[in-house]
Amino acid sequence: GENVEQHPSTLSVQEGDSAVIKCTYSDSASNYFPWYKQELGKGPQLIIDIRSNVGEKKDQRIAVTLNKTAKHFSLHITETQPEDSAVYFCAASKRGSYIPTFGRGTSLIVHP
Amino acid sequence: DVKVTQSSRYLVKRTGEKVFLECVQDMDHENMFWYRQDPGLGLRLIYFSYDVKMKEKGDIPEGYSVSREKKERFSLILESASTNQTSMYLCASTYGKTEAFFGQGTRLTVV
Repeated sequence: GENVEQHPSTLSVQEGDSAVIKCTYSDSASNYFPWYKQELGKGPQLIIDIRSNVGEKKDQRIAVTLNKTAKHFSLHITETQPEDSAVYFCAASKRGSYIPTFGRGTSLIVHP
Repeated sequence: DVKVTQSSRYLVKRTGEKVFLECVQDMDHENMFWYRQDPGLGLRLIYFSYDVKMKEKGDIPEGYSVSREKKERFSLILESASTNQTSMYLCASTYGKTEAFFGQGTRLTVV
């Protein structure tokens, strides 16, 4: 089955810095890659996603890049703010399957 | 506003008790999932369902069962709760291969 590795497990940055979280996947048939943000006491919520026919997608301060050849995708957050502090999960779903496989999560801490 | 609602935010149960965790979604989604979240281990899939009365085992089904009698409701059952089932439980639903909508989670403590 699919295996998703996520790094780092913890990321600490100063407000205004950029943050990058990286994920790799094992199944070349995967074609949907969402990112979720989980704030304290809440369930994860989708913040951005990308499909395998696209290399990059941006939404304001957030961007996701996908390298299908290397089988990795990354979340980029620019101009970080304290409210970006949360746990971030990447996931991958392969063609023909509706079941996402999640990474282990990254705890992002943005210091004011 | 779409919603996945879990019946309890916090539960404390005794070892050996039968525990029911309920999840309801209002989006007419076909697929529903139960995950367990533990520090350092991420989200691990316990069971999922792609239709009423249909269920499939996930990665860690031991000690759990599920029930889906209606499309909107997916229940997780701990037949005989044990302390190693103390965890955060998350329910989610999807329509096809699209984003997953999660409930707020149930933090279960088994004493």
